Amino acid sequence: AQSVAQPEDQVNVAEGNPLTVKCTYSVSGNPYLFWYVQYPNRGLQFLLKYITGDNLVKGSYGFEAEFNKSQTSFHLKKPSALVSDSALYFCAVLPLGNNRLAFGKGNQVVVIP
Amino acid sequence: KAGVTQTPRYLIKTRGQQVTLSCSPISGHRSVSWYQQTPGQGLQFLFEYFSETQRNKGNFPGRFSGRQFSNSRSEMNVSTLELGDSALYLCASSLAPGDNEQFFGPGTRLTVL
Repeated sequence: AQSVAQPEDQVNVAEGNPLTVKCTYSVSGNPYLFWYVQYPNRGLQFLLKYITGDNLVKGSYGFEAEFNKSQTSFHLKKPSALVSDSALYFCAVLPLGNNRLAFGKGNQVVVIP
Repeated sequence: KAGVTQTPRYLIKTRGQQVTLSCSPISGHRSVSWYQQTPGQGLQFLFEYFSETQRNKGNFPGRFSGRQFSNSRSEMNVSTLELGDSALYLCASSLAPGDNEQFFGPGTRLTVL
């Protein structure tokens, strides 16, 4: 069975500073990896995904994530955080061949002006 | 292109009642998945439908059921509602099973009193 760990409950960062949200996973085989963001009273918005190829993936709104196979990690990063980045961030894995996403518990990101 | 739509957006029911939620996928998408989001359990997979057939089911009791119509629209039903069923129910659509990108709707907020 697959699992996703997002070790921190909340990530606080000052506006303009780098933002990192951590994610590690456990799954057999080579999964697809995703980051989603959720704003209050909204559904999930897709940020980026890793399928294969370059370990550094660039996504929406200036976010990027680095896939590290040996550490089974897929950390989300943004070089300079904005107040509008304050939201709930979910890491997810998708085993090959089905649509059953397994999510981490989510990280609340608070960007302080 | 219109996104995933879910109706109703908000719903209040009492214990013991039953409820039906609806999801219309993005035009051309034939796979629909449902997820339950609660503060305690996070995001959990409910079921996945493709071509009017349930392909996958999560670990939920039989009170939770669903179906998909020939136009790919999907409904989920919860019978004999319990307080713990209060949650945000999210629907996601994709072109087909195994397609590596799911698009989420805004969700239906169900409150059970």
